[in-house]
Amino acid sequence: NAGVTQTPKFQVLKTGQSMTLQCAQDMNHNSMYWYRQDPGMGLRLIYYSASEGTTDKGEVPNGYNVSRLNKREFSLRLESAAPSQTSVYFCASSESGDTQYFGPGTRLTVL
Amino acid sequence: SQQGEEDPQALSIQEGENATMNCSYKTSINNLQWYRQNSGRGLVHLILIRSNEREKHSGRLRVTLDTSKKSSSLLITASRAADTASYFCATDAGGSARQLTFGSGTQLTVLP
Repeated sequence: NAGVTQTPKFQVLKTGQSMTLQCAQDMNHNSMYWYRQDPGMGLRLIYYSASEGTTDKGEVPNGYNVSRLNKREFSLRLESAAPSQTSVYFCASSESGDTQYFGPGTRLTVL
Repeated sequence: SQQGEEDPQALSIQEGENATMNCSYKTSINNLQWYRQNSGRGLVHLILIRSNEREKHSGRLRVTLDTSKKSSSLLITASRAADTASYFCATDAGGSARQLTFGSGTQLTVLP
Protein backbone atom coordinates (compact mmCIF):
# COMPACT_ATOMS: atom_id res chain seq x y z
CA ASN A 1 0.00 0.00 0.00
CA ALA A 2 1.25 3.46 -0.91
CA GLY A 3 -0.76 5.16 1.86
CA VAL A 4 -1.34 8.83 1.08
CA THR A 5 0.27 10.21 -2.06
CA GLN A 6 0.51 13.82 -3.16
CA THR A 7 1.48 15.44 -6.42
CA PRO A 8 3.42 17.47 -7.24
CA LYS A 9 6.25 17.43 -4.68
CA PHE A 10 7.39 20.92 -5.58
CA GLN A 11 5.78 23.81 -7.46
CA VAL A 12 6.69 27.41 -8.22
CA LEU A 13 3.91 29.75 -9.32
CA LYS A 14 3.69 33.39 -10.23
CA THR A 15 1.16 35.59 -8.47
CA GLY A 16 -2.25 35.14 -10.06
CA GLN A 17 -1.59 31.71 -11.54
CA SER A 18 -3.80 28.79 -10.64
CA MET A 19 -3.00 25.18 -9.81
CA THR A 20 -4.47 22.05 -8.30
CA LEU A 21 -2.76 19.89 -5.71
CA GLN A 22 -3.69 16.25 -5.94
CA CYS A 23 -4.07 13.79 -3.08
CA ALA A 24 -5.01 10.13 -3.12
CA GLN A 25 -5.24 7.45 -0.44
CA ASP A 26 -5.49 3.70 -0.84
CA MET A 27 -6.61 2.84 2.69
CA ASN A 28 -10.36 3.18 2.02
CA HIS A 29 -10.63 5.98 4.56
CA ASN A 30 -13.76 8.09 4.79
CA SER A 31 -12.23 11.35 5.97
CA MET A 32 -9.61 13.43 4.18
CA TYR A 33 -7.94 16.71 5.10
CA TRP A 34 -5.82 19.49 3.65
CA TYR A 35 -3.38 21.39 5.89
CA ARG A 36 -0.78 24.04 5.36
CA GLN A 37 2.42 24.36 7.37
CA ASP A 38 4.32 27.62 7.53
CA PRO A 39 7.91 27.83 8.83
CA GLY A 40 8.21 27.19 12.55
CA MET A 41 4.51 26.53 12.93
CA GLY A 42 2.20 23.61 13.31
CA LEU A 43 -0.34 22.55 10.74
CA ARG A 44 -3.45 24.59 10.08
CA LEU A 45 -6.53 22.98 8.58
CA ILE A 46 -7.67 24.43 5.25
CA TYR A 47 -10.56 22.14 4.29
CA TYR A 48 -11.72 18.69 5.19
CA SER A 49 -14.08 16.06 3.86
CA ALA A 50 -15.80 13.86 6.43
CA SER A 51 -17.04 11.49 3.75
CA GLU A 52 -17.37 11.20 0.01
CA GLY A 53 -19.60 13.97 -1.29
CA THR A 54 -19.08 16.38 1.61
CA THR A 55 -16.54 19.14 2.19
CA ASP A 56 -16.24 21.76 4.93
CA LYS A 57 -14.07 24.74 5.71
CA GLY A 58 -11.32 24.53 8.25
CA GLU A 59 -9.40 27.27 10.01
CA VAL A 60 -7.85 28.97 6.93
CA PRO A 61 -10.04 28.34 3.83
CA ASN A 62 -9.75 31.72 2.10
CA GLY A 63 -8.17 31.52 -1.35
CA TYR A 64 -8.72 27.77 -1.69
CA ASN A 65 -11.30 25.38 -3.06
CA VAL A 66 -11.51 21.62 -2.76
CA SER A 67 -13.11 18.71 -4.55
CA ARG A 68 -13.72 15.26 -3.13
CA LEU A 69 -13.61 13.49 -6.47
CA ASN A 70 -14.36 10.05 -5.04
CA LYS A 71 -13.53 8.16 -1.88
CA ARG A 72 -9.84 7.97 -2.79
CA GLU A 73 -9.11 11.46 -4.08
CA PHE A 74 -9.29 14.93 -2.55
CA SER A 75 -7.87 17.88 -4.50
CA LEU A 76 -7.01 21.41 -3.40
CA ARG A 77 -7.20 24.27 -5.88
CA LEU A 78 -5.65 27.70 -5.75
CA GLU A 79 -7.57 29.86 -8.23
CA SER A 80 -5.33 32.93 -8.07
CA ALA A 81 -2.16 32.27 -6.13
CA ALA A 82 -0.75 34.90 -3.78
CA PRO A 83 2.67 35.08 -2.07
CA SER A 84 0.91 34.50 1.27
CA GLN A 85 0.07 31.01 0.03
CA THR A 86 3.73 30.05 -0.08
CA SER A 87 3.79 27.07 2.26
CA VAL A 88 4.07 23.33 2.54
CA TYR A 89 0.75 21.59 1.95
CA PHE A 90 -0.11 18.26 3.52
CA CYS A 91 -2.97 15.94 2.78
CA ALA A 92 -4.14 13.41 5.36
CA SER A 93 -6.74 10.71 5.67
CA SER A 94 -8.43 8.98 8.56
CA GLU A 95 -10.91 6.16 9.06
CA SER A 96 -11.95 6.28 12.67
CA GLY A 97 -10.99 9.89 13.11
CA ASP A 98 -8.41 8.97 15.69
CA THR A 99 -5.22 8.56 13.72
CA GLN A 100 -4.51 10.66 10.66
CA TYR A 101 -2.13 9.41 8.01
CA PHE A 102 -0.19 12.08 6.19
CA GLY A 103 1.23 12.39 2.71
CA PRO A 104 4.80 13.61 2.06
CA GLY A 105 3.72 17.17 1.30
CA THR A 106 3.89 19.67 -1.57
CA ARG A 107 6.27 22.60 -1.28
CA LEU A 108 4.67 25.58 -3.00
CA THR A 109 6.37 28.89 -3.68
CA VAL A 110 4.41 31.81 -5.06
CA LEU A 111 6.54 34.59 -6.51
CA SER B 1 -5.66 29.59 16.11
CA GLN B 2 -3.40 26.96 17.57
CA GLN B 3 -5.13 24.94 20.24
CA GLY B 4 -2.04 23.25 21.57
CA GLU B 5 1.14 25.00 22.54
CA GLU B 6 4.29 22.98 23.03
CA ASP B 7 7.03 23.75 25.46
CA PRO B 8 9.93 24.01 24.98
CA GLN B 9 10.13 25.21 21.38
CA ALA B 10 13.53 23.56 21.05
CA LEU B 11 15.33 20.91 23.09
CA SER B 12 18.85 19.58 22.69
CA ILE B 13 20.02 16.53 24.64
CA GLN B 14 22.70 13.84 24.55
CA GLU B 15 21.99 10.36 23.28
CA GLY B 16 20.76 8.15 26.11
CA GLU B 17 19.11 10.98 28.03
CA ASN B 18 15.37 11.36 28.41
CA ALA B 19 13.44 14.06 26.56
CA THR B 20 10.27 15.63 27.93
CA MET B 21 7.96 17.84 25.91
CA ASN B 22 4.85 19.55 27.20
CA CYS B 23 1.62 20.59 25.53
CA SER B 24 -1.09 22.89 26.81
CA TYR B 25 -4.49 23.35 25.21
CA LYS B 26 -7.51 25.55 25.73
CA THR B 27 -10.80 23.71 25.21
CA SER B 28 -12.33 20.37 26.12
CA ILE B 29 -11.00 17.47 24.11
CA ASN B 30 -12.00 14.00 23.04
CA ASN B 31 -8.41 12.87 22.78
CA LEU B 32 -4.89 14.24 22.39
CA GLN B 33 -2.37 12.86 19.95
CA TRP B 34 1.35 13.23 19.43
CA TYR B 35 2.94 13.26 16.00
CA ARG B 36 6.51 13.29 14.82
CA GLN B 37 7.88 15.05 11.74
CA ASN B 38 11.32 14.42 10.34
CA SER B 39 12.82 17.28 8.40
CA GLY B 40 11.13 17.69 5.02
CA ARG B 41 8.68 14.83 5.59
CA GLY B 42 5.05 14.33 6.52
CA LEU B 43 3.80 13.73 10.03
CA VAL B 44 3.72 10.30 11.60
CA HIS B 45 1.32 9.36 14.37
CA LEU B 46 3.05 8.29 17.60
CA ILE B 47 0.45 7.84 20.31
CA LEU B 48 -3.10 8.80 21.27
CA ILE B 49 -4.46 9.34 24.76
CA ARG B 50 -8.17 9.67 25.40
CA SER B 51 -9.71 12.21 27.73
CA ASN B 52 -10.56 9.54 30.32
CA GLU B 53 -6.97 8.23 30.42
CA ARG B 54 -4.17 9.65 32.52
CA GLU B 55 -1.13 7.82 31.22
CA LYS B 56 -0.21 5.68 28.25
CA HIS B 57 2.95 3.87 27.17
CA SER B 58 4.21 2.74 23.79
CA GLY B 59 7.76 1.40 23.63
CA ARG B 60 10.06 4.23 24.74
CA LEU B 61 7.20 6.74 24.75
CA ARG B 62 5.17 7.74 27.77
CA VAL B 63 2.32 10.21 27.53
CA THR B 64 0.41 11.78 30.39
CA LEU B 65 -2.76 13.81 30.27
CA ASP B 66 -4.12 16.14 32.93
CA THR B 67 -7.51 17.38 31.79
CA SER B 68 -7.93 19.59 34.85
CA LYS B 69 -4.82 21.53 33.83
CA LYS B 70 -5.46 21.06 30.11
CA SER B 71 -1.95 19.77 29.60
CA SER B 72 -0.08 16.75 28.34
CA SER B 73 3.52 15.62 28.33
CA LEU B 74 5.48 13.32 26.07
CA LEU B 75 8.50 11.53 27.50
CA ILE B 76 10.98 9.77 25.24
CA THR B 77 13.29 7.57 27.27
CA ALA B 78 16.84 6.57 26.32
CA SER B 79 16.85 8.88 23.33
CA ARG B 80 18.70 8.07 20.13
CA ALA B 81 20.10 10.28 17.38
CA ALA B 82 17.31 8.94 15.16
CA ASP B 83 14.75 10.58 17.50
CA THR B 84 15.87 13.97 16.18
CA ALA B 85 12.67 15.49 14.74
CA SER B 86 9.86 17.93 15.46
CA TYR B 87 7.13 16.71 17.77
CA PHE B 88 3.60 18.08 17.64
CA CYS B 89 0.64 17.62 19.90
CA ALA B 90 -2.80 17.67 18.31
CA THR B 91 -6.16 17.88 20.01
CA ASP B 92 -9.39 16.30 18.84
CA ALA B 93 -12.48 18.06 20.17
CA GLY B 94 -14.82 15.50 18.60
CA GLY B 95 -17.39 16.32 15.91
CA SER B 96 -18.30 14.63 12.67
CA ALA B 97 -14.94 14.82 10.91
CA ARG B 98 -12.76 14.58 13.99
CA GLN B 99 -10.65 17.59 13.09
CA LEU B 100 -7.26 17.92 14.72
CA THR B 101 -5.82 21.20 15.94
CA PHE B 102 -2.04 21.20 16.04
CA GLY B 103 0.41 23.00 18.26
CA SER B 104 3.51 24.74 16.98
CA GLY B 105 5.85 21.88 17.86
CA THR B 106 9.03 21.11 19.77
CA GLN B 107 12.23 20.66 17.78
CA LEU B 108 14.20 17.87 19.45
CA THR B 109 17.87 17.40 18.66
CA VAL B 110 19.60 14.31 20.05
CA LEU B 111 23.37 14.61 19.90
CA PRO B 112 25.40 11.43 19.38
